[in-house]
Amino acid sequence: DAMVIQNPRYQVTQFGKPVTLSCSQTLNHNVMYWYQQKSSQAPKLLFHYYDKDFNNEADTPDNFQSRRPNTSFCFLDIRSPGLGDAAMYLCATSIGYEQYFGPGTRLTVT
Amino acid sequence: RKEVEQDPGPFNVPEGATVAFNCTYSNSASQSFFWYRQDCRKEPKLLMSVYSSGNEDGRFTAQLNRASQYISLLIRDSKLSDSATYLCVVNPVGNDMRFGAGTRLTVKP
Repeated sequence: DAMVIQNPRYQVTQFGKPVTLSCSQTLNHNVMYWYQQKSSQAPKLLFHYYDKDFNNEADTPDNFQSRRPNTSFCFLDIRSPGLGDAAMYLCATSIGYEQYFGPGTRLTVT
Repeated sequence: RKEVEQDPGPFNVPEGATVAFNCTYSNSASQSFFWYRQDCRKEPKLLMSVYSSGNEDGRFTAQLNRASQYISLLIRDSKLSDSATYLCVVNPVGNDMRFGAGTRLTVKP
């Protein structure tokens, strides 16, 4: 019954080694979001897709990229992870403005 | 000034207490407002949308004051299971979403 699925739930990567996080949805929502959340902080929007239209937040580092090959899937690519990129990464979908979050991927950078 | 500001708390209240959280937002053109609940190390979950006329869902009441640019959440008859972080979310434009840092609530027996 999972509606927004994120894989993997936990990811460990080495400093500078590219990593890809994935998100899939069964809700057929047209908007998908990626957030970064660090401990005791608010989720910070990185970017979102409205259908295939990509919207990047002005302060999202170039190190973060995203792909949405179809309605169901969205990927977050971190090209050269730094120690400061260790965080929970949350994917969300919406139709209208109410968001449905996946369980998140906790990224550790060693 | 942050786009969305909340009192971080923590709020420690006994069971049965009434507790209120406030949230202010900076963009007067914002259209949609929400309260989410986030349990420790879990994803945020929608608690309720906030409508101009105010809305109630059981023990939870949300209100919006556009003139003062703030949103409130009132929890009556607090339960132990209400312990969580409550996040205020504002939609300033298009599909952008801005989260407050959250207010942490602990309900004690």
